[in-house]
Amino acid sequence: GAGVSQTPSNKVTEKGKYVELRCDPISGHTALYWYRQSLGQGPEFLIYFQGTGAADDSGLPNDRFFAVRPEGSVSTLKIQRTERGDSAVYLCASSPPNRGRGETQYFGPGTRLLVL
Amino acid sequence: GQNIDQPTEMTATEGAIVQINCTYQTSGFNGLFWYQQHAGEAPTFLSYNVLDGLEEKGRFSSFLSRSKGYSYLLLKELQMKDSASYLCAAPSGAGNMLTFGGGTRLMVKP
Repeated sequence: GAGVSQTPSNKVTEKGKYVELRCDPISGHTALYWYRQSLGQGPEFLIYFQGTGAADDSGLPNDRFFAVRPEGSVSTLKIQRTERGDSAVYLCASSPPNRGRGETQYFGPGTRLLVL
Repeated sequence: GQNIDQPTEMTATEGAIVQINCTYQTSGFNGLFWYQQHAGEAPTFLSYNVLDGLEEKGRFSSFLSRSKGYSYLLLKELQMKDSASYLCAAPSGAGNMLTFGGGTRLMVKP
């Protein structure tokens, strides 16, 4: 079956521009997560959706970052006024409904964002 | 808070066995994950331990000791394709968001 897909796979932008990154989760997965991974480091949590609502956005670094999931499936991560420090791989993951244990998260291939 | 520690790099020989350690400190425990990540690719699930002991899955095994805050991933009969980063991660919060260690980059040499 289809896994998590993310578009674009690569994005190059200039400092100060606005970008949108898209994630299409596995069908039926109600939980969706965004992580950011810098070179040589582990992924860092940004935001978690359960259905349509952002259940936890404590990992967003500042108010330039925002994410939506209007219909409970596809999610878009939006970054305003990009800075060079935003350059990283943005990973999306989805998992089945949380049954109180650590449900396995399945990751997409990521979007490599480069801010010049 | 969560804190996950693992070695940065390891090198091993094709056909050998390697053990990658992970120590963790969590404010509530809901199991421990291991993921494999090849360069430029997505992390892929390897194992999940919530009870103490060793769980074997083919060439890969994962061990957990909750009292010691310690886990390891054991890779047997190493192959060149096992060269990758191995990520230890602990879920937390109502949403089971993952806190990852920095990853251990394993290089398998002929």
